Amino acid sequence: NAGVTQTPKFQVLKTGQSMTLQCAQDMNHEYMSWYRQDPGMGLRLIHYSVGAGITDQGEVPNGYNVSRSTTEDFPLRLLSAAPSQTSVYFCASSYDLNSPLHFGNGTRLTVT
Amino acid sequence: QQPVQSPQAVILREGEDAVINCSSSKALYSVHWYRQKHGEAPVFLMILLKGGEQKGHEKISASFNEKKQQSSLYLTASQLSYSGTYFCGTEGGLTGGGNKLTFGTGTQLKVEL
Repeated sequence: NAGVTQTPKFQVLKTGQSMTLQCAQDMNHEYMSWYRQDPGMGLRLIHYSVGAGITDQGEVPNGYNVSRSTTEDFPLRLLSAAPSQTSVYFCASSYDLNSPLHFGNGTRLTVT
Repeated sequence: QQPVQSPQAVILREGEDAVINCSSSKALYSVHWYRQKHGEAPVFLMILLKGGEQKGHEKISASFNEKKQQSSLYLTASQLSYSGTYFCGTEGGLTGGGNKLTFGTGTQLKVEL
């Protein structure tokens, strides 16, 4: 099993550009989520999903969209990138709500 | 609200013990503990659930005081490999709701020879 795979690993965007961060898991996990990590802030939840077709907002959802058309994939879309979205983004999945989170290796995004 | 972790940083000599605390202002359903090394993804250590169930690695121990809304992670006989940043993640409510964790700001632990 590859686990949780995130692409790309690094990305530089200009303000106003849009892009999609990809996340795929091959563990048949129902629960998936996106976190951003900023220095001194810990991990903050952006969006999450409890199954295909079901998504909801987390703590910091503004400027991001998600969809969950399949169990395996949970892409994160930046609609119009802003410098405040410079961060490291982690995708995570878990089997159920009482199970550990499995994190991807992260995407380091810089918005200039 | 973010749980509060203490201490913010700690330096140990190899073989020493440490306790990392996590405190929340709201009733908790679960507490997760993860360790993250620089430039890497967080790695699971322990889950503690309301009602007493625990899941995690054999060499890691932790406690969960539901009444005080606090959890502690106990690191004994520390090794160099224990170095990293430790995060607690909490989920509130009576039954949880999808592993929507709120993470603390982390405790930086460094183990030296």
